[in-house]
Amino acid sequence: GAGVSQSPRYKVAKRGQDVALRCDPISGHVSLFWYQQALGQGPEFLTYFQNEAQLDKSGLPSDRFFAERPEGSVSTLKIQRTQQEDSAVYLCASSLPQGFSGNTIYFGEGSWLTVV
Amino acid sequence: AQKITQTQPGMFVQEKEAVTLDCTYDTSDQSYGLFWYKQPSSGEMIFLIYQGSYDEQNATEGRYSLNFQKARKSANLVISASQLGDSAMYFCAMREGYNNNDMRFGAGTRLTVKP
Repeated sequence: GAGVSQSPRYKVAKRGQDVALRCDPISGHVSLFWYQQALGQGPEFLTYFQNEAQLDKSGLPSDRFFAERPEGSVSTLKIQRTQQEDSAVYLCASSLPQGFSGNTIYFGEGSWLTVV
Repeated sequence: AQKITQTQPGMFVQEKEAVTLDCTYDTSDQSYGLFWYKQPSSGEMIFLIYQGSYDEQNATEGRYSLNFQKARKSANLVISASQLGDSAMYFCAMREGYNNNDMRFGAGTRLTVKP
């Protein structure tokens, strides 16, 4: 597709439920990022992939959060046993290969997660 | 430590006037990139403009320009001839060094354009 595609756009989960958020990056973008954005705040880095390799997961808030990109294209962010503080917008982004700090990161529209 | 600081939680501007959104940053790297994104109520982060640390000229993209003052570590966004559709959240962000894998964002500024 032309841009970064995320699904579902909106998800309401009961506390304790597992959720899976999907991201389809821009074709040809080997770098893929996940960010978490709480209401009224800027995005916070969660994790980064280069192709299928997860090179940085330092931003994942707990071991309930897990991300994968098995074939180097589509990525899934999974949250186990959701809690209310997980309510946020989860933004996926992609860019051209690294090596230059000027590579722009392009974002999807986000998956809005509400845990009730 | 906060790497990107946006000190204006909210700004108002009259339609057709220019507005400056402030951004200061903190880095010890010599090579870095500065970005501005617009986030309307739909939630999508829209890339606006980029400034590289080695760029000598201020970046411009249509009505957007970046006032880059390297010594002061500031990268203010200037929007000229504001339009009602410019009302949105604006985020300043930085990517440091080579082979980096993180982009740090500021807390954002909510811009409201008044008719």
